[in-house]
Amino acid sequence: EVQLVESGGGLIQPGGSLRLSCAASGFNFSDHSMNWVRQAPGKGLEWVSYINAASDARWYTDSVKGRFTISRDNAQTSLYLHMNSLRAEDTGVYYCARDHDWTSDYWGQGILVTVSS
Amino acid sequence: QSALTQPPSASGSPGQSVTFSCTGTSSDVGGYDHVSWYQHHPGKGPKLIIHEVTKRPSGVPDRFSGSKSGNTASLTVSGLQAEDEADYYCFSYGGSNNWVFGGGTKLTVL
Repeated sequence: EVQLVESGGGLIQPGGSLRLSCAASGFNFSDHSMNWVRQAPGKGLEWVSYINAASDARWYTDSVKGRFTISRDNAQTSLYLHMNSLRAEDTGVYYCARDHDWTSDYWGQGILVTVSS
Repeated sequence: QSALTQPPSASGSPGQSVTFSCTGTSSDVGGYDHVSWYQHHPGKGPKLIIHEVTKRPSGVPDRFSGSKSGNTASLTVSGLQAEDEADYYCFSYGGSNNWVFGGGTKLTVL
């Protein structure tokens, strides 16, 4: 069974940094690209970042370019999102999702990040 | 990259059919067949119900169907059931290594 479990969220002050983790199991992690998607309170879903299986392609939505870095450890079957210079508008639930054929076919339950003073 | 346009709400009675629209541009929905639909119940991870415009993942009932015409994609849910009540999001590749979601449609089963 495919499982994706996010961790590392919480309350952080504006300008601070946070690292989200996503532990993957139930599939061959090193064969799949991965995505991070977020949902601000009361808003819709927003694609945040993508990384391919070999980590040589990493893409970001414009609002996080230069502040967020996606990475992965295939040996540890883990995905990460390093978030710097956090802003109030980065508040939301962050989901990791497995990429498959130009979409995301399995998702975690999400982890809440709150940026507030 | 602007979000795709979805109506904010839709409703139907059990057994009826409902169709959601998702309007983009020739740079996203109209330019690629990489359109997906997700069902999202609050507090849970989204569930993929349609990908590549019309394809259903295994385990998704054939009551769910997708289509596309020009810059607009559509999701039809037939034989509405109470458990179909959820938020539905469309999703498309937007070119230039970007992906874009629709704003979501909240389905109420009356």
